[in-house]
Amino acid sequence: KNQVEQSPQSLIILEGKNCTLQCNYTVSPFSNLRWYKQDTGRGPVSLTIMTFSENTKSNGRYTATLDADTKQSSLHITASQLSDSASYICVVSVSGGYNKLIFGAGTRLAVHP
Amino acid sequence: GAGVSQSPSNKVTEKGKDVELRCDPISGHTALYWYRQRLGQGLEFLIYFQGNSAPDKSGLPSDRFSAERTGESVSTLTIQRTQQEDSAVYLCASRFIRASSYNSPLHFGNGTRLTVT
Repeated sequence: KNQVEQSPQSLIILEGKNCTLQCNYTVSPFSNLRWYKQDTGRGPVSLTIMTFSENTKSNGRYTATLDADTKQSSLHITASQLSDSASYICVVSVSGGYNKLIFGAGTRLAVHP
Repeated sequence: GAGVSQSPSNKVTEKGKDVELRCDPISGHTALYWYRQRLGQGLEFLIYFQGNSAPDKSGLPSDRFSAERTGESVSTLTIQRTQQEDSAVYLCASRFIRASSYNSPLHFGNGTRLTVT
């Protein structure tokens, strides 16, 4: 069964600290993995996409990694800011057909001053 | 440019009434998706449109839910005889898919918050 599991479910950190969010998937065949950020009351917004051949990709203070062998991805946030408070959603695309999207339940991050 | 627009942003309705939720995708986006998000929960897939056709409607929870898309543009999600468990935020997303490349991101609207009293 195609599944995406994220951990932790929620996280509280102090402003300026780093954190890492995890995404494990059992999706096959794999097409790509994307991280989204969802601010409260808003729709999710794409942060970065990881394809099979990519190991690491950065977008400002966000760095995503992908290990296709262990089927794990992480999202590392450096020098957190209050505006990083949001839910972070891992979405894996199934290759073939219309490339169905499998959503994780998200990690809710709260950055406190 | 304009993003995905959803209306209304908020809807309060009485149990048993029908509601229609509207989604205006980004112009030219061939794929359109509807999701449901209950309070504090993740996104739950409802239906996917490619053009005006819905090759995957497996997420619709019951026959009270239906959706259509016209002109490869606007989509309407209809919930008949609403129940309290239908209360949630309904999110619409669109994306452009070219030449069998599925790497493009979803562009989400800000959702319609539905409250059934």
